[in-house]
Amino acid sequence: QVTLKESGPALVKPTQTLTLTCTFSGFSLNTSGMCVSWIRQPPGKALEWLALIDWDDDKYYSTSLKTRLTISKDTSKNQVVLTMTNMDPVDTATYYCARTQHLAVAILGFDPWGQGTLVTVSS
Amino acid sequence: DIQMTQSPSSVSASVGDRVTITCRASQDINSWLAWYQQKPGKAPKLLIYVASNLQSGVPSRFSGSGSGTDFTLTISSLQPEDFATYYCQQASSFPITFGQGTRLEIK
Repeated sequence: QVTLKESGPALVKPTQTLTLTCTFSGFSLNTSGMCVSWIRQPPGKALEWLALIDWDDDKYYSTSLKTRLTISKDTSKNQVVLTMTNMDPVDTATYYCARTQHLAVAILGFDPWGQGTLVTVSS
Repeated sequence: DIQMTQSPSSVSASVGDRVTITCRASQDINSWLAWYQQKPGKAPKLLIYVASNLQSGVPSRFSGSGSGTDFTLTISSLQPEDFATYYCQQASSFPITFGQGTRLEIK
């Protein structure tokens, strides 16, 4: 059974750096094609993809947020970490991690997803 | 970035109705499209991948079609548990992008 779970602070102050950890089980990020992504959703709004890291340690980022994001993995711990710098109240959202697979030409859908973690940015 | 546009933004329907949601990509994405269902307070759930492939465990009343820039998600006979928000997502190239969502409400 594949599971993912997000962890991190529920509240951060403006300008601070957010660090989120996705801890997963049931698959290995050493397996060819495997990837983990971060996606967020502000309250009442649509999903927004943030970043993806694959088995080969290739990293991909949202165009609008790439200067603020860093994704990394620790395969020994089955964890993927996302950092987002210079947090602002508009970054208040539920942050999800999800597994996918990267084929030669594209990626498959995100499945499964973690339960999500709500991060509020406020002073 | 590839823009994904869903229509309608919301739709009201009754149990037993057939419903179709459309998703248009701003450029050709071949068949690299996925559909998700999200219920309030829950994480999204993958329904369809590569435009028309039903994810394991998803009821057969859900189906997807299309290629290139135009795609549809069809629910053949709405059940009470299908009232939710639906998102499309392109998987053709980075950055990955989602549609703005379609809220399916009970009439």
